[in-house]
Amino acid sequence: AQSVTQPDIHITVSEGASLELRCNYSYGATPYLFWYVQSPGQGLQLLLKYFSGDTLVQGIKGFEAEFKRSQSSFNLRKPSVHWSDAAEYFCAVVLFSGGYQKVTFGIGTKLQVIP
Amino acid sequence: DAGVTQSPTHLIKTRGQQVTLRCSPKSGHDTVSWYQQALGQGPQFIFQYYEEEERQRGNFPDRFSGHQFPNYSSELNVNALWLGDSALYLCASSSPGATGYGYTFGSGTRLTVV
Repeated sequence: AQSVTQPDIHITVSEGASLELRCNYSYGATPYLFWYVQSPGQGLQLLLKYFSGDTLVQGIKGFEAEFKRSQSSFNLRKPSVHWSDAAEYFCAVVLFSGGYQKVTFGIGTKLQVIP
Repeated sequence: DAGVTQSPTHLIKTRGQQVTLRCSPKSGHDTVSWYQQALGQGPQFIFQYYEEEERQRGNFPDRFSGHQFPNYSSELNVNALWLGDSALYLCASSSPGATGYGYTFGSGTRLTVV
C-alpha cells in the first residue's frame, strides 16, 4: 500500500545547528509529496510541496526538501534551526482514487530545539 | 481571505453521547476532508465530501458520519462516543480544479470524551 514513513519519532538539535528530517515513501508512480508543520494544539501548516520538475524544493520559514527517486526519499532540511522551529513535522503523500485526492500522513517527527 | 474555520475549538463529552463538529472551507474550495489525530499520532483520514456526497472513506466505523451543505461547509457527527474518540479533529479543504494540490487545514477541534 502507498504510504510514507518517518523513521525518527523525536529529534533534538541545538539552536543554530542544521536539521534534516527523514521521509521515505512507498508509491508506484511519481508521488506528490508534502511537508507540514504543526505547533502544539494547532492545525497543520504547509511548508512545501513537490509535484514534478526541480527535485530541490524551497518552502517557507527557510526550509527546503529534496526528492530522490532512487532512494524513495523526500527529506526536509534547514541550514540553521531557530528555537521557534520546535514543533512536529509531518511528511505526506497525495493518493488519487477515482479522480479524488487523499492526503496520507506519516506518523510525524517531533523536533526539540535546545539553546 | 479566510482560511478553514472549525468550531468549536474545544469540547468535552460523556461516553455514549453524540457530537457534531463544524467546518467552513477556504474560499474557493469545494472539497472537505476530515481527519482524526490522536495524541502522538499522525492525522488519520476519516472521509471526504464533494458535491454534498461522501466520495472517499477511511477505516472508521459507521458511528462517524458527515454532511456537506450547498455552501461547501461540512459537519462531522460521531455517535455513541467512547473514550478512544478523544482526539484533535482536523478539517481540510481543497479544490480538484486548483492548480496546486494538497489541503488547507483548520486549527482543529479538540474533543475529550470522559
